[in-house]
Amino acid sequence: QSVLTQPPSASATPGQRVTISCSGSDSNIGMNTVNWYVHVPGTTPKLLIFSNNKRPAGVSDRFSASKSATSASLAISGLQSEDEADYYCSAWDGNVNGPVFGGGTKLTVL
Amino acid sequence: QDQLAQSGAEVKRPGASVRVSCKPSGYTFTDYYIHWVRQAPGQGLEWMGWINPKSGGTNFAHNFQGRVTMTRDTSIGTVYMELSSLRSDDTAVYYCAKPSKQYTMLRGVIVTTDNWFDTWGQGTLVTVSS
Repeated sequence: QSVLTQPPSASATPGQRVTISCSGSDSNIGMNTVNWYVHVPGTTPKLLIFSNNKRPAGVSDRFSASKSATSASLAISGLQSEDEADYYCSAWDGNVNGPVFGGGTKLTVL
Repeated sequence: QDQLAQSGAEVKRPGASVRVSCKPSGYTFTDYYIHWVRQAPGQGLEWMGWINPKSGGTNFAHNFQGRVTMTRDTSIGTVYMELSSLRSDDTAVYYCAKPSKQYTMLRGVIVTTDNWFDTWGQGTLVTVSS
């Protein structure tokens, strides 16, 4: 059971907007910034969002994220088939002196 | 460009141990901690622990305490993760990962928490099967 809670799946049709939630606690999201990773099985996880809402160079502005109190969310607009992947939230957790992850959300583009 | 090169796939019997290596390049070996993260089939990413390549200091997730060891060899710039008493549910892809910023410690606690993994190893599949 993961420390951060994400819905196991999400789906939408091409062009739509989808959001993925991530719920934590005071010791992780409540006190620290949230990062999001995208993972296509068989490849290496890739950083999608850092410091709550910042995009690394090369990441499309279709991806945005926010954080409030002990929760965070990732939004993907203008959904494309290539967005089909697993999405993970992560934050530092003071209780473990290390990062914790959500269980991942499998995004299906219908 | 920073890179992490991991050792190859392993097949182990239950009860055995496995050691996976991770060799960074593109930056000074001792400047950044290395973390280990695994993903079991059908499961999410699970953080295992970190090692400070400079001091050898380590910190492990509760689930792995007593079974995992992380070491480094500064002469060849390589870190190792060893997992013992393997079970079938240890079958997973094991990744090493590097944080984007150097850590600052305060009384044994990392305070550079606005941090993320900017570099990942290619992953090492460890299969535990009788």
